[in-house]
Amino acid sequence: QKEVEQNSGPLSVPEGAIASLNCTYSDRGSQSFFWYRQYSGKSPELIMSIYSNGDKEDGRFTAQLNKASQYVSLLIRDSQPSDSATYLCASEPRSGYALNFGKGTSLLVTP
Amino acid sequence: NAGVTQTPKFRILKIGQSMTLQCTQDMNHNYMYWYRQDPGMGLKLIYYSVGAGITDKGEVPNGYNVSRSTTEDFPLRLELAAPSQTSVYFCASTYPPGQGAYEQYFGPGTRLTVT
Repeated sequence: QKEVEQNSGPLSVPEGAIASLNCTYSDRGSQSFFWYRQYSGKSPELIMSIYSNGDKEDGRFTAQLNKASQYVSLLIRDSQPSDSATYLCASEPRSGYALNFGKGTSLLVTP
Repeated sequence: NAGVTQTPKFRILKIGQSMTLQCTQDMNHNYMYWYRQDPGMGLKLIYYSVGAGITDKGEVPNGYNVSRSTTEDFPLRLELAAPSQTSVYFCASTYPPGQGAYEQYFGPGTRLTVT
């Protein structure tokens, strides 16, 4: 049973558009959710965390959480070619000691 | 703070050889993890540790061993390397839940090829 599901993509958006990345999770007890960005050949880096239902904004990034629907999303406004990367969604499990990671969605922003 | 450091960055092993991947963190994190990531795939947890002297298996522990003698260090040992262990290995660390932001910090990775 996969805990965190993401479309693998690639998701292609033109420069300046809004990129929408989605994630669903199966553990209803999960409390915290994270979005990591991973450039090719590099390690994942945390870009957003969200703990409560609703939206959380940080610069061009907005994370959205809907615990009733078990759904997390990441919006990237004014997408730039430098945003081209794989985005990993992760959830903190109700029990256990490690985050559950999705396989990631590949985003390509075209000039 | 150097954060999470890993050595070596790259390594080529012959089938049957052994090696240790080193991981050190200077953030005083209790929790440490080893992941492997195959091309186009997500992160798979190999082993984790919740503190010095305490380790446990993750999703894919076969062919690996770990130890945790100090808070800072969490080495991963590969015994009798096999081609299936060709991958990129990431070490990560974090505070325990409830003791700060539960965000995992990753090292730069070790790219291992077994031929």
